[in-house]
Amino acid sequence: AQSVSQHNHHVILSEAASLELGCNYSYGGTVNLFWYVQYPGQHLQLLLKYFSGDPLVKGIKGFEAEFIKSKFSFNLRKPSVQWSDTAEYFCAVKHYYDYKLSFGAGTTVTVRA
Amino acid sequence: GAVVSQHPSWVICKSGTSVKIECRSLDFQATTMFWYRQFPKQSLMLMATSNEGSKATYEQGVEKDKFLINHASLTLSTLTVTSAHPEDSSFYICSASPGQALLRDGYTFGSGTRLTVV
Repeated sequence: AQSVSQHNHHVILSEAASLELGCNYSYGGTVNLFWYVQYPGQHLQLLLKYFSGDPLVKGIKGFEAEFIKSKFSFNLRKPSVQWSDTAEYFCAVKHYYDYKLSFGAGTTVTVRA
Repeated sequence: GAVVSQHPSWVICKSGTSVKIECRSLDFQATTMFWYRQFPKQSLMLMATSNEGSKATYEQGVEKDKFLINHASLTLSTLTVTSAHPEDSSFYICSASPGQALLRDGYTFGSGTRLTVV
């Protein structure tokens, strides 16, 4: 069955620390990949996406993600987090030919000042 | 970028009544919209795909008669929770794909509706 796995349920770190959130998927074939962020009380916002081309994708707010096809992974990174990065982060995957998105369980990131 | 408006943002209703949630694409036409349900501290679970001018496609395990979806126009989809019960209390979120702009914008999500059934 198709699934999206996010390894960390809750990550707590201090400002200026580096962040890496894991995401693995079990889809076969060509996929499109997304990372969304949900700040407290707000709607989901797109951080970055991968459709094709350079597997290292840069998004907003200093985030980047690397698509490693052989590992079925799309990990999110940020070199130096800020308190304002406290949020819920969701990885999402779909087949390239489909419109249906499947989400990972989400990772809560708490950044302490 | 594309904007999706969802209304109401929160609603409290009595058990046995029905509640309608609206999802509008404000600056683009969405032939396809999606309805999700999000439980506390959990992921978004796709409930159904709403297609303009045709019947919605429900995911396995979602009751079609309880969660009525209507996609009457290219900019409006509604979700009606019929005969609501406390277990239907949840956060409901809609999203839309802006068609050709998907590659640029990805999917756009509404701000969600917090439903509490008492």
